[in-house]
Amino acid sequence: DAKTTQPTSMDCAEGRAANLPCNHSTISGNEYVYWYRQIHSQGPQYIIHGLKNNETNEMASLIITEDRKSSTLILPHATLRDTAVYYCIVSYSTLTFGKGTMLLVSP
Amino acid sequence: GAGVSQSPSNKVTEKGKDVELRCDPISGHTALYWYRQSLGQGLEFLIYFQGNSAPDKSGLPSDRFSAERTGGSVSTLTIQRTQQEDSAVYLCASSLAYGLLSTSYNEQFFGPGTRLTVL
Repeated sequence: DAKTTQPTSMDCAEGRAANLPCNHSTISGNEYVYWYRQIHSQGPQYIIHGLKNNETNEMASLIITEDRKSSTLILPHATLRDTAVYYCIVSYSTLTFGKGTMLLVSP
Repeated sequence: GAGVSQSPSNKVTEKGKDVELRCDPISGHTALYWYRQSLGQGLEFLIYFQGNSAPDKSGLPSDRFSAERTGGSVSTLTIQRTQQEDSAVYLCASSLAYGLLSTSYNEQFFGPGTRLTVL
């Protein structure tokens, strides 16, 4: 699986958009970009995935650069309950989790 | 049940003892995955099952670790002669199938995990 690089931590004010970056410069053609998050003491939760087009669902938006070497997960209106570790993963199937980004949403 | 369940939720054992961790996947999910998460670390993939077979066991950290799945449902992860470095949260996930389907992503649904502490 391709490796990903994410910032260790980020802060966001409640109600603001949280933009979480991810670099995956060695992604191969058949690998998707997945985002999961893990709220403290819970199992990971799927957020969104994409191949090359931007994607949006009820939780978030995923913006993938044209060269596919990086992506950004956008939580449009962050709430306190969005405080979690966010994992960016590139893979065809089996998920390999890195250390992710600890997003802290503050009042 | 509605989701993936794991038992026990917590397990404390002495070094050298064997432990068995159980995972009940979502009904109808053919793929099952085991991960572990050590304190302050990301998730480490251990093994996956397609039905009852495990095509790739290379993620298991040592030969003390083994896993089986019977009836395409329940899976058991066994750790023999436990060591202190085995202390971690062991997470199980299941998905409808392995890999990507033509129409949708095989979202992995995770259980709450088993916290293993080896004294």
